[in-house]
Amino acid sequence: EAGVAQSPRYKIIEKRQSVAFWCNPISGHATLYWYQQILGQGPKLLIQFQNNGVVDDSQLPKDRFSAERLKGVDSTLKIQPAKLEDSAVYLCASSRPRDEQYFGPGTRLTVT
Amino acid sequence: QKEVEQDPGPLSVPEGAIVSLNCTYSNSAFQYFMWYRQYSRKGPELLMYTYSSGNKEDGRFTAQVDKSSKYISLFIRDSQPSDSATYLCAMDGTGTALIFGKGTTLSVSS
Repeated sequence: EAGVAQSPRYKIIEKRQSVAFWCNPISGHATLYWYQQILGQGPKLLIQFQNNGVVDDSQLPKDRFSAERLKGVDSTLKIQPAKLEDSAVYLCASSRPRDEQYFGPGTRLTVT
Repeated sequence: QKEVEQDPGPLSVPEGAIVSLNCTYSNSAFQYFMWYRQYSRKGPELLMYTYSSGNKEDGRFTAQVDKSSKYISLFIRDSQPSDSATYLCAMDGTGTALIFGKGTTLSVSS
């Protein structure tokens, strides 16, 4: 079974620029999560999808972050405009409902 | 007070040592307790999963949950260099999203 795929693996941008991350979950997993992991911290949930509907986006900074999951499969997370404090690893995870979450390798974002 | 507290370490032990990793939490509603292992530049992977209080053993790993004290532990017996990683405790929040501790960085030297 193929794992969660994420791209790009690394991205360096200047502040105020925009960036997008892509995630392809494990086939058949209806639930998809985006987490932000700042260096030295545990992952923090940004948004959770069930199929293509949003379940929880209470910690998503909606003035600059947006996410979508069209057709209930792939998902894109966008930041516009980026700030220095957005430097982090962005992890995508997927699961069957109320089952183990499988994480992708993450996208490491550096904002200069 | 943060919902989940975990000492970030780092923790350095010789090969063969017994390792004890711990987390405390404040929300008594948490029911599911997990330990994830994260190697450098990789995503977290589930190591142990416990529902409510009690012990669970899997090979060299033992997870303990004490809900009365709001305290969870992970023990690693006969630690190996391959166990060198960051260990994250996690608990269920609202819905199915997880709340993670900061992670403890473990280094096992041969």
